[in-house]
Amino acid sequence: DAGITQSPRHKVTETGTPVTLRCHQTENHRYMYWYRQDPGHGLRLIHYSYGVKDTDKGEVSDGYSVSRSKTEDFLLTLESATSSQTSVYFCAISERSPNTEAFFGQGTRLTVV
Amino acid sequence: KQEVTQIPAALSVPEGENLVLNCSFTDSAIYNLQWFRQDPGKGLTSLLLIQSSQREQTSGRLNASLDKSSGRSTLYIAASQPGDSATYLCAVPKGGSQGNLIFGKGTKLSVKP
Repeated sequence: DAGITQSPRHKVTETGTPVTLRCHQTENHRYMYWYRQDPGHGLRLIHYSYGVKDTDKGEVSDGYSVSRSKTEDFLLTLESATSSQTSVYFCAISERSPNTEAFFGQGTRLTVV
Repeated sequence: KQEVTQIPAALSVPEGENLVLNCSFTDSAIYNLQWFRQDPGKGLTSLLLIQSSQREQTSGRLNASLDKSSGRSTLYIAASQPGDSATYLCAVPKGGSQGNLIFGKGTKLSVKP
């Protein structure tokens, strides 16, 4: 299995609070992605990174920000959590080219109450 | 806009049966196609990656085929086992520099003992 660790694995938070999810990889892959998975919508891209300090928006980026200060770490921040952000969040990595095999973390289940 | 469709949404078969899962995509200009398995409450496990130049890829009891011209891929599972029960997802890269994956909504497979 690819070395991808997401933390925390589960979190319950209150509406309006900031939340940060962490993705840590040991594969030295250049590309990192944050997806959310929701019933009826499948997996959708939130943000991605193509190198240290290089990030860009995905399909559903509103209300989220990201940072990547080291190759191995990609942080996803919900600036002010809302109930619509209750979801399962997955981190993924891929190697030098974006069009190579992707590997996923185990996911973080976030509940906003 | 690339769209990925998986039919059927759910499938139940008796143990030992050979089965085929289907995946179709609207834009045939893909770099590759990837099949994943997802167990309940877990992350995505990469099963097979087929490059655009390939017609088939095999791993154990799994065989994936790709027909770019018709926009179709199939995942063949031989001699199914209860442990194969999971949701199977196919995905293609969006293309360009982003490289994120566009997913189908999956086929939920149940193999009955």
